[in-house]
Formats: sequence, C-alpha cells, structure tokens
Amino acid sequence: EPEVTQTPSHQVTQMGQEVILRCVPISNHLYFYWYRQILGQKVEFLVSFYNNEISEKSEIFDDQFSVERPDGSNFTLKIRSTKLEDSAMYFCASSGAEEKLFFGSGTQLSVL
Amino acid sequence: GESVGLHLPTLSVQEGDNSIINCAYSNSASDYFIWYKQESGKGPQFIIDIRSNMDKRQGQRVTVLLNKTVKHLSLQIAATQPGDSAVYFCAAGDTGRRALTFGSGTRLQVQP
Repeated sequence: EPEVTQTPSHQVTQMGQEVILRCVPISNHLYFYWYRQILGQKVEFLVSFYNNEISEKSEIFDDQFSVERPDGSNFTLKIRSTKLEDSAMYFCASSGAEEKLFFGSGTQLSVL
Repeated sequence: GESVGLHLPTLSVQEGDNSIINCAYSNSASDYFIWYKQESGKGPQFIIDIRSNMDKRQGQRVTVLLNKTVKHLSLQIAATQPGDSAVYFCAAGDTGRRALTFGSGTRLQVQP
C-alpha cells in the first residue's frame, strides 16, 4: 500500500538554527500538507500546498516557516530560526481527488 | 475560546465489548468528517469518513454516526480488541477547503 514517508524520524537542533523536514507524499497525490502535534495535544494544521503554491496556512505558519516542492517527489518544511516552542511532532500528509488525508509517521523535532 | 490541555478523555472497555467515542464540532459549514486512529509514536491512520449528506456509514467493525442538528459525531467499534487501543481523533473539513480541523482526541484503553 502506498504511504507517505518522512525523514528524519527524530531531529534535535539548537534554538535559532534552521531545520528542514522532508516528506515524500504518495506519488499520484496532488495536495500536500504539514501538521504538527505538541506532546499530548491535538493535531494542528500548518499549511496546505497545491499546484506549486500555498493554498492555505494557519496562524502558526508565520514568516519563520516555508514549504517547497523542490522536485517531483519531495515536499519540505523549513523552519528558519527555531524556537523552543517549535518542539513538536511534525506530520506530512497528502491527498488525491478525495479529501481523505494520508499521514506519514512524523518527525519528532526537539529544540534545545 | 478553545480549550487545550494535556489530559485526554479516556474510555476504558473490556475486550469484546462495543466502544463508542464521541466528538462535537462547531463549524456549521463542515460537510466532511473523518475519524483517525493514532498509536503511540505514529501518524494518524484513517479509519472511516462520512459526508454531511449521510447520517450513518459502516465499515469493517466500525460505524460512524453523524447528527448535524447537534453537530455531533460518533465512532462505534464493535467487539473491541486490544489492538484497538489508541488515541482516536475526529476531524472536520468543508467543501473547497482541504485542510482538516482536528478534535482533541479520546484515548481508548482495551482491557483483556
């Protein structure tokens, strides 16, 4: 069964450093998303991406965040200057013609 | 305002019993609803979805009920098994907006 893959599974960084989280969505999907989940809390929407541009973003997705689809298979989330409160599990998701989102296993980001 | 907390409601059931997990939503424009299961350290996994033109949908051992009048959604799991132990999230979306909004989640514990 096709799946969304994310790398790395864990990322530790120092406050103020840049991080890039990587995702390979399901190959025939056209919509891509990033969500995050702070420990013990609900899953929060960050951004959706379609046709090589951001289609929607939340208040969390400020100027420190950016997304890119650098080639035909990868989808990345960059945090320019990480803060302690950016520590969370970051999930990539993709969807096709239907609204059903398929999630990856996540990247646990720890900012020290 | 929206409450956010570290404590998840917990439903504890005996193996073989039926489980009912409830969810309330607030956006009247929501017309698509989905239940996800999340096991520890993993991404949300699709269980079942339903559109607002239906009030019931059945899958394998699972049933989703939708009451639009009171903006309530429930997930019923028949003959609950230890492998069903996880956190269950409902999520809602609306036509034209691909991003899903997640609820707070319920932890299901299945006692053998």
